[in-house]
Amino acid sequence: AQSVSQHNHHVILSEAASLELGCNYSYGGTVNLFWYVQYPGQHLQLLLKYFSGDPLVKGIKGFEAEFIKSKFSFNLRKPSVQWSDTAEYFCAVRTNAGKSTFGDGTTLTVKP
Amino acid sequence: SAVISQKPSRDICQRGTSLTIQCQVDSQVTMMFWYRQQPGQSLTLIATANQGSEATYESGFVIDKFPISRPNLTFSTLTVSNMSPEDSSIYLCSVVSSLNTGELFFGEGSRLTVL
Repeated sequence: AQSVSQHNHHVILSEAASLELGCNYSYGGTVNLFWYVQYPGQHLQLLLKYFSGDPLVKGIKGFEAEFIKSKFSFNLRKPSVQWSDTAEYFCAVRTNAGKSTFGDGTTLTVKP
Repeated sequence: SAVISQKPSRDICQRGTSLTIQCQVDSQVTMMFWYRQQPGQSLTLIATANQGSEATYESGFVIDKFPISRPNLTFSTLTVSNMSPEDSSIYLCSVVSSLNTGELFFGEGSRLTVL
């Protein structure tokens, strides 16, 4: 069975700092990779996704993620965070069976 | 995209009772998923609900405890039966946008507190 590991449970940054959230997965087959975000009081929504092609994918609000197949990683990055990026971030893996497995989530707090 | 509505948004329940959560989608979808998000934890898939067939449950979840209905392509219910405080959680309904993209759309969740 697949699993997803997010390295950081809680990250606190000041505005304009750079962000990188780690995500590793374990699964031997083809996967689709996602980052979801949950802003305070809102529902989960898609931030970005990787299916194939360019391993560097760009999402909404200036976020990007890089798929490194050899490392089974899909780290999320943003060069300069804003206070409005305060949220919980989930990495997820979807296999051919159609099921998605989520990491434990990372709570990001951006101080103004 | 898909818009998903869940009811109730939150409830406080007594131990031993059952509660049914409804999920309505604004478009027809083949696969619907029910997740549980316990306090401070990630999302755990309970079951996959396909229209016209029995739901498929993940390890650790059984139909007697979490019966699911899927009467049509836009609606599903999840019942949490004989609740205990350990069932206190957020229950999320989600759908796949399409099989080609695979991303999930979520409802706002139903927050259950069992006393």
